[in-house]
Amino acid sequence: KQEVTQIPAALSVPEGENLVLNCSFTDSAIYNLQWFRQDPGKGLTSLLLIQSSQREQTSGRLNASLDKSSGRSTLYIAASQPGDSATYLCAVRRSYNFNKFYFGSGTKLNVKP
Amino acid sequence: DAMVIQNPRYQVTQFGKPVTLSCSQTLNHNVMYWYQQKSSQAPKLLFHYYDKDFNNEADTPDNFQSRRPNTSFCFLDIRSPGLGDAAMYLCATSRGGRGTGELFFGEGSRLTVL
Repeated sequence: KQEVTQIPAALSVPEGENLVLNCSFTDSAIYNLQWFRQDPGKGLTSLLLIQSSQREQTSGRLNASLDKSSGRSTLYIAASQPGDSATYLCAVRRSYNFNKFYFGSGTKLNVKP
Repeated sequence: DAMVIQNPRYQVTQFGKPVTLSCSQTLNHNVMYWYQQKSSQAPKLLFHYYDKDFNNEADTPDNFQSRRPNTSFCFLDIRSPGLGDAAMYLCATSRGGRGTGELFFGEGSRLTVL
C-alpha cells in the first residue's frame, strides 16, 4: 500500500524567506509525483508534475525535486510572498494500478507580510 | 479558461434529501474521478471512471453513486445525505494510458447538510 506523508502539517514564515516543503512516500514504484496548491474553499491547482525518470522540475520561484530511491520529494519556494499562503499537497501515481493517485494531507503555509 | 467545471459550487441540503453534483470537462480525458475532502485532510477517492468502466473504492458507502453519460460529464449522487457527508467534493480528470499522467481538478462543490 502506498502511504504519502507531508511534514510539517503547518508552517509560518516571514515574507522573503526561502522554504522547503517535504513529501515522503512508502512505495518507490511510482510513475510520477504532482504538487498542488489549494486555497481555502477551492479546488486543487497543479503546480509541478515530475515524472519518475526526472530529478527535478522548475516553474518560476518553485522547484520540485524527486528522489525515488529514498521515497522523497521536496518543493522549494524561493523568496516567499504573502500570496503563497495556501495548503500544498503532493500526490503520487504508482507505476501499476495506474489510475489511482495517493495524496498527502498537505502542508498549510502562512507567509507573514 | 476552466477545463474542469463543477456545479453547484455550494449546495445546502437537509438530512436525507438527495443531492446531485455535476462535473464537466473540456479536456477529453478518459478518466474522471470523484474525491471527498474534509477539513485539513487529504482528498479521499470515492470512485473513478475509465471511459465507461466504473471503479468503486471498497470503502465508499452505498449512499454514494455516480453516472457518466458521456465523455464530458460525470455526476455524483448522494442518495440520503447524513451530517457526516458534509464535505468538499472534488472532481478531477486525467488522460488514460501512459501519457504525462497529470491530474486536473475542478473548483469543488461544498456540501452542507442541515
